[in-house]
Amino acid sequence: QQPVQSPQAVILREGEDAVINCSSSKALYSVHWYRQKHGEAPVFLMILLKGGEQMRHEKISASFNEKKQQSSLYLTASQLSYSGTYFCGTDYDQTGANNLFFGTGTRLTVIP
Amino acid sequence: DTEVTQTPKHLVMGMTNKKSLKCEQHMGHRAMYWYKQKAKKPPELMFVYSYEKLSINESVPSRFSPECPNSSLLNLHLHALQPEDSALYLCASSQDERLAVEQYFGPGTRLTVT
Repeated sequence: QQPVQSPQAVILREGEDAVINCSSSKALYSVHWYRQKHGEAPVFLMILLKGGEQMRHEKISASFNEKKQQSSLYLTASQLSYSGTYFCGTDYDQTGANNLFFGTGTRLTVIP
Repeated sequence: DTEVTQTPKHLVMGMTNKKSLKCEQHMGHRAMYWYKQKAKKPPELMFVYSYEKLSINESVPSRFSPECPNSSLLNLHLHALQPEDSALYLCASSQDERLAVEQYFGPGTRLTVT
């Protein structure tokens, strides 16, 4: 049930853009996005609901394509502080509970 | 206060030891979670407590024993662990157990089993 993320890793220069994808083989209810810096706790970025609108957190936005069972995270004009590992977390109608399955992770490195 | 605290930060224990991890939140959240995270891997759900009752146990071995003494506290009792249990143990909380509710994570306890 673990969603798959792509790419696995990406290196950006400050100011560049990136897209991280999260795909599931099962019907999704919602997608959560978290960023985790090395040695720290995951920090919540945003939640996207089935049928909901695109969300935004500062210069980071995300979309949810129900047909494709996929969510994409868009990082615009990246900053050094964006570095970290990004995880999507998905939950499914069937569980009826906030039981998150985290994706494989995408390691983002922003260099000056 | 949007903080989840965990103690200790680091723990080294032998395979015959008994130890406990502690998690606390004062946000009035009624759902609390234990996750296990191995290096360079995503967090994996272990247990969910909802209104102080265990609602999900993701087939976790009995050497891990969760406890929720009250709505603010969550413990994880450890006994007879194996070296492969070495990992970062994360606690999280959310308003309740409904779908699509934000989870707040604590900084974790880094456990090493020798």
